[in-house]
Amino acid sequence: NAGVTQTPKFRVLKTGQSMTLLCAQDMNHEYMYWYRQDPGMGLRLIHYSVGEGTTAKGEVPDGYNVSRLKKQNFLLGLESAAPSQTSVYFCASSNRRGGLPPSSYNEQFFGPGTRLTVL
Amino acid sequence: KQEVTQIPAALSVPEGENLVLNCSFTDSAIYNLQWFRQDPGKGLTSLLLIQSSQREQTSGRLNASLDKSSGRSTLYIAASQPGDSATYLCAVKWRDSSYKLIFGSGTRLLVRP
Repeated sequence: NAGVTQTPKFRVLKTGQSMTLLCAQDMNHEYMYWYRQDPGMGLRLIHYSVGEGTTAKGEVPDGYNVSRLKKQNFLLGLESAAPSQTSVYFCASSNRRGGLPPSSYNEQFFGPGTRLTVL
Repeated sequence: KQEVTQIPAALSVPEGENLVLNCSFTDSAIYNLQWFRQDPGKGLTSLLLIQSSQREQTSGRLNASLDKSSGRSTLYIAASQPGDSATYLCAVKWRDSSYKLIFGSGTRLLVRP
């Protein structure tokens, strides 16, 4: 049981390049999330998904796209990277109401992060 | 605006001391509150989750309390150890915010041997 995993761990891009970050979870969670963490800004939600085939915008979605083709995977794409997207990206997942045990409803579990630098 | 505040931003204590980390939030209509630990350069580890109907949760030397009416949660760490040194984050899910967690900026804890 690996929990939430993210690839790659580190990446350096040039402005305008594109890339995809992969998140995978093996806990059969319905919900998945992408956050970015910046100094002094805390963690902010980029996009989230409440189930396979669904996605929704979070607080800071501009410049990012996501896809949830399989329940266990959530992809975050940068089509044209900008220096402002230099950050640490975290993926998380949680179960939905009705999961067991009830006390764990919506407890979010995080991956180890991807450190992205855009030059 | 729904916000989460953690004070102090940094705390240094000698080993063995009992300590309290504070988290305050606007708007008492929360769904749940979660405490995380983050080590430098690492991801977030969930420590405790308190549902809105609960007053406290305990795990080992950690105890988290929730007082919705005053908009506060505290994380109590008993008999602190150098291995407890990390940043502790508090995050709140409000009832009207779908699936979004709002994070505080964290308290950076250093436990000195």
